[in-house]
Amino acid sequence: EAAVTQSPRSKVAVTGGKVTLSCHQTNNHDYMYWYRQDTGHGLRLIHYSYVADSTEKGDIPDGYKASRPSQENFSLILELASLSQTAVYFCASSEGTGSNERLFFGHGTKLSVL
Amino acid sequence: QQQVRQSPQSLTVWEGETAILNCSYEDSTFDYFPWYHQFPGESPALLIAIRPVSNKKEDGRFTIFFNKREKKFSLHIADSQPGDSATYFCAAMQQGTGSKLSFGKGAKLTVSP
Repeated sequence: EAAVTQSPRSKVAVTGGKVTLSCHQTNNHDYMYWYRQDTGHGLRLIHYSYVADSTEKGDIPDGYKASRPSQENFSLILELASLSQTAVYFCASSEGTGSNERLFFGHGTKLSVL
Repeated sequence: QQQVRQSPQSLTVWEGETAILNCSYEDSTFDYFPWYHQFPGESPALLIAIRPVSNKKEDGRFTIFFNKREKKFSLHIADSQPGDSATYFCAAMQQGTGSKLSFGKGAKLTVSP
């Protein structure tokens, strides 16, 4: 049973359109993250959250917003999608205890902006 | 700013050989160093991790060697198997800082039979 589920699994969006990627976790974890993966760049942190109703900027937050309405749910919002945001997006969760931390990733969302 | 640097970007070894993947970091406050692997079409998953209280961590065929003075750590995969072919990411973080892992760019390992 997948503990971190993302939806949709893939999406084609038009430039300038709004895109919302959703993530749901059943791990009872406090921390949730959004990463993007591009060839040659590895995994880069966009936004993260350690408590409901609060989000923090990661390393590449420009052009993205995040929303954490509950412990279980974390969304990534692209208000005005651009070609450069074509990538695979991974959501992850972790306990956030700070000791031997382990991230559990969802299966990813492949986003193509045309 | 790349806080964790990985090399090589790709590596091909023969089945049975030892594959060595290298990482270096800048931030001396980092105190937790995991390696994740990702098979094609799948999501990353934790493989093995080390804290600098020791300079070596083993788990079966996988070993992390850690050099605090040089700020380097490496993953050795002994007796490499074709099933080990994947992309490997090293990462680092300062524990207690909100679990913000900094990942390297990844290294694609191919094990040829």
